[in-house]
Amino acid sequence: KAGVTQTPRYLIKTRGQQVTLSCSPISGHRSVSWYQQTPGQGLQFLFEYFSETQRNKGNFPGRFSGRQFSNSRSEMNVSTLELGDSALYLCASSFGWETEAFFGQGTRLTVV
Amino acid sequence: GENVEQHPSTLSVQEGDSAVIKCTYSDSASNYFPWYKQELGKRPQLIIDIRSNVGEKKDQRIAVTLNKTAKHFSLHITETQPEDSAVYFCAELGGGADGLTFGKGTHLIIQP
Repeated sequence: KAGVTQTPRYLIKTRGQQVTLSCSPISGHRSVSWYQQTPGQGLQFLFEYFSETQRNKGNFPGRFSGRQFSNSRSEMNVSTLELGDSALYLCASSFGWETEAFFGQGTRLTVV
Repeated sequence: GENVEQHPSTLSVQEGDSAVIKCTYSDSASNYFPWYKQELGKRPQLIIDIRSNVGEKKDQRIAVTLNKTAKHFSLHITETQPEDSAVYFCAELGGGADGLTFGKGTHLIIQP
């Protein structure tokens, strides 16, 4: 069974640009959550999608958005990038809300 | 959700000894408590989880205990081995809409 796949693995962007990250969940999983990991703030919840609907949202500005497609693949978008957006972005898929979440390898975003 | 305190931030133990990591939470509606292990440069991986209707769960050398009254849960690793060296995160899933709330992590170092 293939694991959670995130693309790309690494990205370098300039301040003010926008970026789109992709996450393919484990087959059969309908819930996809996104997290931001930084040395200072640790792992912080961004949002969660289930069956193409955003069910939950963390405390991040509106520049962070996402969506989920009918095949459960998810994308997150960050517009008007800031230096502070540099982080490892992890997605996790699970069968349901209170079930084991499997993480992808993450996308390392560097904003310069 | 809300807040999860994790201690210690760094733990160094001799190979073969036991390691204990503790977390406290504030959301009384929390009912799912996973523990993740993250090796350097790798994704977080679930090592054990516990639900609020259970006080203790064990899987080989790893155990988790939960005290709902005191709102704390602990990870116990016995007979530690070099491959146990990693950062360990506790997390909880509350009754709100903010996904998994993670502790800041414990860097576990196994001394040979």
